[in-house]
Amino acid sequence: AQSVTQLGSHVSVSEGALVLLRCNYSSSVPPYLFWYVQYPNQGLQLLLKYTTGATLVKGINGFEAEFKKSETSFHLTKPSAHMSDAAEYFCAVSDGNQGGKLIFGQGTELSVKP
Amino acid sequence: NAGVMQNPRHLVRRRGQEARLRCSPMKGHSHVYWYRQLPEEGLKFMVYLQKENIIDESGMPKERFSAEFPKEGPSILRIQQVVRGDSAAYFCASSPMTGYTNTEAFFGQGTRLTVV
Repeated sequence: AQSVTQLGSHVSVSEGALVLLRCNYSSSVPPYLFWYVQYPNQGLQLLLKYTTGATLVKGINGFEAEFKKSETSFHLTKPSAHMSDAAEYFCAVSDGNQGGKLIFGQGTELSVKP
Repeated sequence: NAGVMQNPRHLVRRRGQEARLRCSPMKGHSHVYWYRQLPEEGLKFMVYLQKENIIDESGMPKERFSAEFPKEGPSILRIQQVVRGDSAAYFCASSPMTGYTNTEAFFGQGTRLTVV
């Protein structure tokens, strides 16, 4: 069985500050890991994904995440927050055999203060 | 290449009515997934379909909910005799044929169902 835990349902940062959104997973098989962003009343947009290979993954809009197997973590970071980053962020895991069957975390709402 | 198309975007139904949600996958995608997002919660997997087949319906409520993906036309998520607890955003995702690594799902913009 797989599961995802996102620590912190709300995160607030100042514009220009570091963004760190935490995600821990549980999986009995090598996981595929994803971060999605959702803007109000919109669908989900893929930010980045880890499948195999390099553990530091770079995504769109300056985001990146590092897969740490020993810590079962896949935290999302961005060096400098922008106002347009304010949104809901979801971490998800799959077993890789069914590309679209994802187990999602509860989500973290990111607020960016001017 | 158009993305995943869902319609309607917003749907209002009275208790006891039926709701039909439609999803047209991206061109070339033969796999469709439905998710439900309740207020203040993450997305929960409901069902996974290929053309004319239900592959995994482990997340579907046992009663009132059904899904299909016919040979021709969009995938349909059908909710019979809706209740207020069905009010949620329903998202469809599609992916190309599995068997490849790095397969990812592309999401539509969702249908927001309100039951009054």
